Amino acid sequence: EDKVVQSPLSLVVHEGDTVTLNCSYEVTNFRSLLWYKQEKKAPTFLFMLTSSGIEKKSGRLSSILDKKELFSILNITATQTGDSAIYLCAAANFGNEKLTFGTGTRLTIIP
Amino acid sequence: NAGVTQTPKFQVLKTGQSMTLQCAQDMNHEYMSWYRQDPGMGLRLIHYSVGAGITDQGEVPNGYNVSRSTTEDFPLRLLSAAPSQTSVYFCASSPDSTEAFFGQGTRLTVV
Repeated sequence: EDKVVQSPLSLVVHEGDTVTLNCSYEVTNFRSLLWYKQEKKAPTFLFMLTSSGIEKKSGRLSSILDKKELFSILNITATQTGDSAIYLCAAANFGNEKLTFGTGTRLTIIP
Repeated sequence: NAGVTQTPKFQVLKTGQSMTLQCAQDMNHEYMSWYRQDPGMGLRLIHYSVGAGITDQGEVPNGYNVSRSTTEDFPLRLLSAAPSQTSVYFCASSPDSTEAFFGQGTRLTVV
């Protein structure tokens, strides 16, 4: 059974801090790892990672994938209150065309 | 830019009632899927479709039916609502099995 585990489940930090969110996966025929941000409603896409060791970056957010150790991290530097959200990671595999999601990390930024 | 449109946004049902959650996308995506999101459980796949006329079960399909008669529409039917189906439901579409675009969600309460 495909499985995605995120840690921590929740995190509270002060504005300006740097945070690292973790995602590990056990997925047959792994294809890619995706990160989403969910504020009040629908998840919105952040990154898709398919190759090990290549960092993807968007502003203060960055992410990297380790296909040997089966995990990914999402870093957010200089956090702002607008970063408060649930961050979801999901693994996609070849063959059955499904996304398996983790339970998410709830990030709260205190001003 | 309609993207993925879900209706209704909110619904209250009595136990045993049936209803259909509507989902439509205007991006000509082949892949569509339905998820439910419960506290602490992340997004769990109910049913998905890789194209018109093709559907398959996800992780939690019991109590739900789907059909895909057109590329644009992917309705989710609750056959006989139960309190355990109280949840937030998301429809998603994608050009392949990754980078899903989500609708705004339907909050369903079964009493």
